[in-house]
Amino acid sequence: GENVEQHPSTLSVQEGDSAVIKCTYSDSASNYFPWYKQELGKGPQLIIDIRSNVGEKKDQRIAVTLNKTAKHFSLHITETQPEDSAVYFCAASVPGGSYIPTFGRGTSLIVHP
Amino acid sequence: GAVVSQHPSRVICKSGTSVKIECRSLDFQATTMFWYRQFPKQSLMLMATSNEGSKATYEQGVEKDKFLINHASLTLSTLTVTSAHPEDSSFYICSASRDRGSYEQYFGPGTRLTVT
Repeated sequence: GENVEQHPSTLSVQEGDSAVIKCTYSDSASNYFPWYKQELGKGPQLIIDIRSNVGEKKDQRIAVTLNKTAKHFSLHITETQPEDSAVYFCAASVPGGSYIPTFGRGTSLIVHP
Repeated sequence: GAVVSQHPSRVICKSGTSVKIECRSLDFQATTMFWYRQFPKQSLMLMATSNEGSKATYEQGVEKDKFLINHASLTLSTLTVTSAHPEDSSFYICSASRDRGSYEQYFGPGTRLTVT
């Protein structure tokens, strides 16, 4: 089955800096890659996603890049703010069935004011 | 759109009792709903997948007689933890997708279960 590795497990940055979280996946059939933000005591919220026919997608301060050949994808947050502090999960989905995503282990992002 | 609610947000129950958690899609019909369990500082662990009107599909190692899932309508799924024990204490999260062939999952806010 699919295996998703996520790094780093913890990321500490100063407000205004950029943050990058990286994930790799094992199943070349995966073609949907969402990123979720989870604040303490809350459920995950989809913040951005990318499909395998696209190499990059941007939404304001957030961008995601995908390298299908290398089987890795990354989340980029620019001009970080304290409210960006949360746990971020990447995931990969293989088409078919219920399209169940395989999640990474999460990255705790801390943005210091 | 695509709002999912859970109720209750927090529940404390005594060992041996059962507790029911509701998951509702508020502004869309959810063909498929998922139930996850999350331990502190851990990732989400899929427990089961349910399609409206059919039996849930449980992941390996999840006891279907202990975690009863009902998906009776396109907007409601319930998870009942039967004969709860302290080791069942966890954060339970549901998610829903609009269509069977849909990638996007919309997560609920989660339910914190504490078994004393």
